[in-house]
Amino acid sequence: AQSVTQLGSHVSVSEGALVLLRCNYSSSVPPYLFWYVQYPNQGLQLLLKYTTGATLVKGINGFEAEFKKSETSFHLTKPSAHMSDAAEYFCAVSAAGNKLTFGGGTRVLVKP
Amino acid sequence: SQTIHQWPATLVQPVGSPLSLECTVEGTSNPNLYWYRQAAGRGLQLLFYSVGIGQISSEVPQNLSASRPQDRQFILSSKKLLLSDSGFYLCAWAAGTSADTQYFGPGTRLTVL
Repeated sequence: AQSVTQLGSHVSVSEGALVLLRCNYSSSVPPYLFWYVQYPNQGLQLLLKYTTGATLVKGINGFEAEFKKSETSFHLTKPSAHMSDAAEYFCAVSAAGNKLTFGGGTRVLVKP
Repeated sequence: SQTIHQWPATLVQPVGSPLSLECTVEGTSNPNLYWYRQAAGRGLQLLFYSVGIGQISSEVPQNLSASRPQDRQFILSSKKLLLSDSGFYLCAWAAGTSADTQYFGPGTRLTVL
């Protein structure tokens, strides 16, 4: 069985400040890890994913995430928040069976 | 390139009425297809997935059903809607392995009154 925990259902950051969204997972097999972003009333868009290889993964819109096996974490960061980053972010894990398990999501508010 | 469509975009239905939501994918063959629901405060819930025509796996027992009559068509149905069926329904497709990205459609907002 696999599971994903996202710490903090809401995060508020100032424009230009660091964005840090936390994700911890559990998986009985080596996981594939994903971060998605969802804007209001839209579908989910892939930000980045980790499958194998380099543990620091760069994605779209200046986001990156680091896979840390020892900590079972895959935290998402962006050095400088922009107003357009206001959205909901989902971490997900995929192991066997071609299915994704999602965390509960973190809604990001960006203050001017 | 691949494209995923969902319709309708929004739907308001009375309790007890039937439901049919459609999802189609273009630009790929034999995709895995998925139906999710987002309800307020409940995150993303996988409802059904399909690895081929006529092959449907149900993740959550409920009054919904899914069908895949064609390779790139996935339909979500109900004979009688409940208030608890309200939510945002998302269809997704993936190429077929655990490492593959799932690509999501634009979603259908369903309100049951």
